[in-house]
Amino acid sequence: RKEVEQDPGPFNVPEGATVAFNCTYSNSASQSFFWYRQDCRKEPKLLMSVYSSGNEDGRFTAQLNRASQYISLLIRDSKLSDSATYLCVVAGFQKLVFGTGTRLLVSP
Amino acid sequence: DAGVIQSPRHEVTEMGQEVTLRCKPISGHNSLFWYRQTMMRGLELLIYFNNNVPIDDSGMPEDRFSAKMPNASFSTLKIQPSEPRDSAVYFCASTWDRTNEKLFFGSGTQLSVL
Repeated sequence: RKEVEQDPGPFNVPEGATVAFNCTYSNSASQSFFWYRQDCRKEPKLLMSVYSSGNEDGRFTAQLNRASQYISLLIRDSKLSDSATYLCVVAGFQKLVFGTGTRLLVSP
Repeated sequence: DAGVIQSPRHEVTEMGQEVTLRCKPISGHNSLFWYRQTMMRGLELLIYFNNNVPIDDSGMPEDRFSAKMPNASFSTLKIQPSEPRDSAVYFCASTWDRTNEKLFFGSGTQLSVL
């Protein structure tokens, strides 16, 4: 079983839609969780951290469910510029483990 | 401020040749990571350094791969001899964060081994 698993997508949504991605992780001892964003042919960049209590950053909401070992990312009011691959990331001992990513395509 | 700088951006080589990828981390960062990304396997950690010392190289595929960090501002990843299955995008990342959680990635090197 992979340490971090994501649905590869692609998720095709129209502008303005709400879309959610889930990610599961296998190591119950993991302490920190993140979403990174990667544009086509670019490097990954940190989007947001994921806290136990859930957190928002504008149109983006991240949630953590430790009991079920999954993390979610909700994007409201999708923009064309949100089209990218979203990488779920779990922190192990002083290193990050990346999921293979979920691709999002937002169309006009 | 300059980010993480990798060179070359693209490398095309023939099977059996030696390949050297280079990375300059952000000044002041004390941890450096080498990742490999493929469609099938995603981003895989190859090796990481802390204060120029290799800490975990368990992700290095085999003896054909080696990495060095002779000083705080430079690292290399070498593949000798290269094989077609080494074709991937190789990313270098650095951080100052003690927990190594907030990584800053370079633009990557697209390696094609024919």
